[in-house]
Amino acid sequence: SQQGEEDPQALSIQEGENATMNCSYKTSINNLQWYRQNSGRGLVHLILIRSNEREKHSGRLRVTLDTSKKSSSLLITASRAADTASYFCATDDSSYKLIFGSGTRLLVRP
Amino acid sequence: NAGVTQTPKFQVLKTGQSMTLQCAQDMNHEYMSWYRQDPGMGLRLIHYSVGAGITDQGEVPNGYNVSRSTTEDFPLRLLSAAPSQTSVYFCASIGTGNYGYTFGSGTRLTVV
Repeated sequence: SQQGEEDPQALSIQEGENATMNCSYKTSINNLQWYRQNSGRGLVHLILIRSNEREKHSGRLRVTLDTSKKSSSLLITASRAADTASYFCATDDSSYKLIFGSGTRLLVRP
Repeated sequence: NAGVTQTPKFQVLKTGQSMTLQCAQDMNHEYMSWYRQDPGMGLRLIHYSVGAGITDQGEVPNGYNVSRSTTEDFPLRLLSAAPSQTSVYFCASIGTGNYGYTFGSGTRLTVV
């Protein structure tokens, strides 16, 4: 079974708008990571947040983590057509084994 | 650096055939993993390795074998292919202290 469930499953926005994706997980974690997957390609690591962190920024990305609710969110600000992709959260329990969520498909309309 | 290299990119097998999916990394990463991705789903862990000579099972190991004789290579063997193994397979690696896995570009496998 998969650790994470992501919400929404699909999201369509206009270029320039912000996109927010949510991830919930079931067990205790060491880190939570977000990855992007363009159609037909491998995954690309975006950002990692540790279990003792609450918020992290990287460029147009903002990630929050609420360990009491076992949830995380990824915000992409000022979206671009090139942000169109699937986004996955993944958790690890300090063993380097990543357990992935089911993903959010983001479409950014020009 | 080439990163993580997977071969072949595409493969069609008949039910019952066996084959090996190759994965090689040139980053001296200790940890390597194999995942499968089915349509509309996230990745599920098949097998993983924490170093040469050490492997362990993930979520969906049945029907697959792995070995890790060198740090660089982590092949995945399908023993007797079944239609349920039709999927896209990704190999990934990470080094100690790194922040995210590096993924290969995937092998799209169809079993007929």
